[in-house]
Amino acid sequence: AQSVAQPEDQVNVAEGNPLTVKCTYSVSGNPYLFWYVQYPNRGLQFLLKYITGDNLVKGSYGFEAEFNKSQTSFHLKKPSALVSDSALYFCAVRPDTGRRALTFGSGTRLQVQP
Amino acid sequence: EADIYQTPRYLVIGTGKKITLECSQTMGHDKMYWYQQDPGMELHLIHYSYGVNSTEKGDLSSESTVSRIRTEHFPLTLESARPSHTSQYLCASSEDIGSGHTIYFGEGSWLTVV
Repeated sequence: AQSVAQPEDQVNVAEGNPLTVKCTYSVSGNPYLFWYVQYPNRGLQFLLKYITGDNLVKGSYGFEAEFNKSQTSFHLKKPSALVSDSALYFCAVRPDTGRRALTFGSGTRLQVQP
Repeated sequence: EADIYQTPRYLVIGTGKKITLECSQTMGHDKMYWYQQDPGMELHLIHYSYGVNSTEKGDLSSESTVSRIRTEHFPLTLESARPSHTSQYLCASSEDIGSGHTIYFGEGSWLTVV
């Protein structure tokens, strides 16, 4: 069975500073990894994914993530945070074969201060 | 932006009532999912479908049932709602080609059982 760990319940960062939201995973076979963002009372919006290829993945709104197979990590990053980035961020994984449904982490709340 | 629609967005009903949460997608995706999420918490898979007349239970036990008679439609039904069913229900869909395994979410249905 697969699992995702997001070790930080909340990350605080000042506007303009770089941000990192951590994610580690466990899965049998090759991982397909995803990041989603959720604003209050909304569904999940897709940010980026790693399927194969380049370990550095670029996504929406200036976010990027780096796949590290040896550390089984897929941390989300952004060079310069905006107040509007404040939201709940979810990392998710599924194996490259078998069930297509994603397994989600517990979420990390990002708070960007002006 | 994903074309996946959920109705109703918000519903308050009394204990013992039967309810159906509707989910439709116009992308022609063969795979659809239902996740349950308490406010600000992680998502738990409760049902999924790989195509018409194919449904499976997810990781979290749920008293709800689903059906998949048409590709675009994946309704979730609670025969007798209870306060413990109060939660947000998120519908999603995906395909393995085209959008490259990305799972797209609807805006969610907030259910309150009183």
